[in-house]
Amino acid sequence: DAKTTQPTSMDCAEGRAANLPCNHSTISGNEYVYWYRQIHSQGPQYIIHGLKNNETNEMASLIITEDRKSSTLILPHATLRDTAVYYCIVRVVNNAGNMLTFGGGTRLMVKP
Amino acid sequence: GAVVSQHPSRVICKSGTSVKIECRSLDFQATTMFWYRQFPKQSLMLMATSNEGSKATYEQGVEKDKFLINHASLTLSTLTVTSAHPEDSSFYICSARTGRASYEQYFGPGTRLTVT
Repeated sequence: DAKTTQPTSMDCAEGRAANLPCNHSTISGNEYVYWYRQIHSQGPQYIIHGLKNNETNEMASLIITEDRKSSTLILPHATLRDTAVYYCIVRVVNNAGNMLTFGGGTRLMVKP
Repeated sequence: GAVVSQHPSRVICKSGTSVKIECRSLDFQATTMFWYRQFPKQSLMLMATSNEGSKATYEQGVEKDKFLINHASLTLSTLTVTSAHPEDSSFYICSARTGRASYEQYFGPGTRLTVT
């Protein structure tokens, strides 16, 4: 899987949008961008994934650049409960031999 | 759907004893299960991959005789930490994956092991 680079930590004010960047400059054409988050002392939680089009669900939006070398996860109205470590992972789907490999992630602190 | 449970959520054991952690897929059949370990303020590290009915594949540096993995059914995998030592204290997380579609992984809530 392609390696990703994320800032170590970020702060965000409650109610504001949190924009979490991820660089994946060596991503291959068949690799998807996945985002998970891990709240303290819990298992990782799936957020969203995409290939090249922007995606939106009830949790977040994912913006992928046209060259696919970077992406941004957007939490439109961050709450204190969104404080967590956010992991950006690129992986091939439809591949039984492929598992999720976690990097350092971004520690997002949402402040009142 | 796609719920993965772990039991126990927390366990404290004495040095030298063995501890078994269960991972269950509650509403789907998991052909593959993964075990991760996470030390404080660090990321998840993959320990091993297990396929139902076959031996687990361990990552480099993980002792297979110390971390026994059994994946006897499509809904249950167990991790046994044998002869536990304080340095084995960690957060252990399992993940289950279906054998179809996009091979999505679903994570359990984790088990906090403390060895005294």
